[in-house]
Amino acid sequence: GAVVSQHPSRVICKSGTSVKIECRSLDFQATTMFWYRQFPKQSLMLMATSNEGSKATYEQGVEKDKFLINHASLTLSTLTVTSAHPEDSSFYICSASREGNTEAFFGQGTRLTVV
Amino acid sequence: AQSVTQLGSHVSVSEGALVLLRCNYSSSVPPYLFWYVQYPNQGLQLLLKYTSAATLVKGINGFEAEFKKSETSFHLTKPSAHMSDAAEYFCAVSDGGRGYKLSFGAGTTVTVRA
Repeated sequence: GAVVSQHPSRVICKSGTSVKIECRSLDFQATTMFWYRQFPKQSLMLMATSNEGSKATYEQGVEKDKFLINHASLTLSTLTVTSAHPEDSSFYICSASREGNTEAFFGQGTRLTVV
Repeated sequence: AQSVTQLGSHVSVSEGALVLLRCNYSSSVPPYLFWYVQYPNQGLQLLLKYTSAATLVKGINGFEAEFKKSETSFHLTKPSAHMSDAAEYFCAVSDGGRGYKLSFGAGTTVTVRA
C-alpha cells in the first residue's frame, strides 16, 4: 500500500505556455501533499505544502502565482507551472502523507523541460 | 527549525566493502529522521526511519542507521556494498508535525567499484 503516482513522468513545453503535473495517492487518503523541486545534482527543495480543501502554503521565495497548487480531493493534488520559462526546467517531485502515519510517500517525479 | 548536514557529497566504495554515509541533524524538538535512496530520474524510496523508538534502525536492502542524540547524528551503514547500491542518498529530518514536512540534506552520491 501507500503508492503515490505522478503524471506525466516527462514533459516538454514551449516557453510561455503552462503545464500541469498531477500527484495522486492511489490507495490512501492524503491529507497533506508536498511539492519539491530538484535541480541537477542537488537536493530537494520544498516548494509548498498542500492540504486538502485549503490554500497551499508556499515556502519563502516560491512564487505562488507562477506555481499554482490545487488539492481538491484527498487523492489528488496538482501543480501548474504558468508561463513557463527555461529556468523552470527541473525535476518536480510530490509526496503525500496520511494522518497517523510516520512517513511521507513519494511520487516518481516529473522531468520538466521548457524550450 | 530542523536541518541536516550530510558530510561528503560523494563516496566511492569497493564491492563488498563497508558503506558509511554520515548525517548530522539540528532540531529544536525531538526529531524524526529518515534516509532515502534515489536512482536517476526517479522519486525517492524510503530506506529506513527513526521515530523515537529503538535507536538502531534496520531498513531495507541491508542498510541500518543509529540515532545518537549526544552526537546529533544518524549515520547510515551497510556492511557489504553491492553494485546495485550505486545511487544518491538523502538524509532528512522532520519535526513530526502534520504531514511530516521534510528538510533534506544535500545528498551523497555512492559509487561502487567492481
